[in-house]
Amino acid sequence: AQSVTQLDSQVPVFEEAPVELRCNYSSSVSVYLFWYVQYPNQGLQLLLKYLSGSTLVKGINGFEAEFNKSQTSFHLRKPSVHISDTAEYFCAVTPGIIQGAQKLVFGQGTRLTINP
Amino acid sequence: DADVTQTPRNRITKTGKRIMLECSQTKGHDRMYWYRQDPGLGLRLIYYSFDVKDINKGEISDGYSVSRQAQAKFSLSLESAIPNQTALYFCATSDGTVKSGANVLTFGAGSRLTVL
Repeated sequence: AQSVTQLDSQVPVFEEAPVELRCNYSSSVSVYLFWYVQYPNQGLQLLLKYLSGSTLVKGINGFEAEFNKSQTSFHLRKPSVHISDTAEYFCAVTPGIIQGAQKLVFGQGTRLTINP
Repeated sequence: DADVTQTPRNRITKTGKRIMLECSQTKGHDRMYWYRQDPGLGLRLIYYSFDVKDINKGEISDGYSVSRQAQAKFSLSLESAIPNQTALYFCATSDGTVKSGANVLTFGAGSRLTVL
């Protein structure tokens, strides 16, 4: 079975500073990895995904993540954050052989707060 | 209009009452899911359906039931609500006809349920 650990429950950052949100996973098989963002009072929306190929994945709103198989990590980064990036971010993993979200496991979430 | 619409958005009810949360989608996706979000626990899968005649239990199905009335409609019922079912509930869809799309979820805005 897969599991996901988001290492920080809350991350406060000043506007225009860089940010890294950490995600580690465990799995005995190859995986697909995702980052979703939840803005206040909204549902989750996909930021980016890793299915195969290049380990550096670029997503929406200037975010990127790097898949590191040896360290079983998929950390999310942005070089300069904005107030509008204030949200909760979820890392998720599913076995790569599964077509569908029925085995998708979400992390606990990281609340990113951007201070002016 | 939203791609995935959930009603009601907020509901307060009493222990023992029957509650139905409804979900409809205009994405044309065949796969639909119900999740529950609790602070610090991320999202957990309650039920999922890959077509009208296919219903499957997820990680935490006890105390819940679902109905797939049409390809576009998937409702979640709590037959006798209890306080620990107080949570934020999300409906989501995915496109099983596209290999990579099957794993990518489109979420509704959520239904906040409070059981007193």
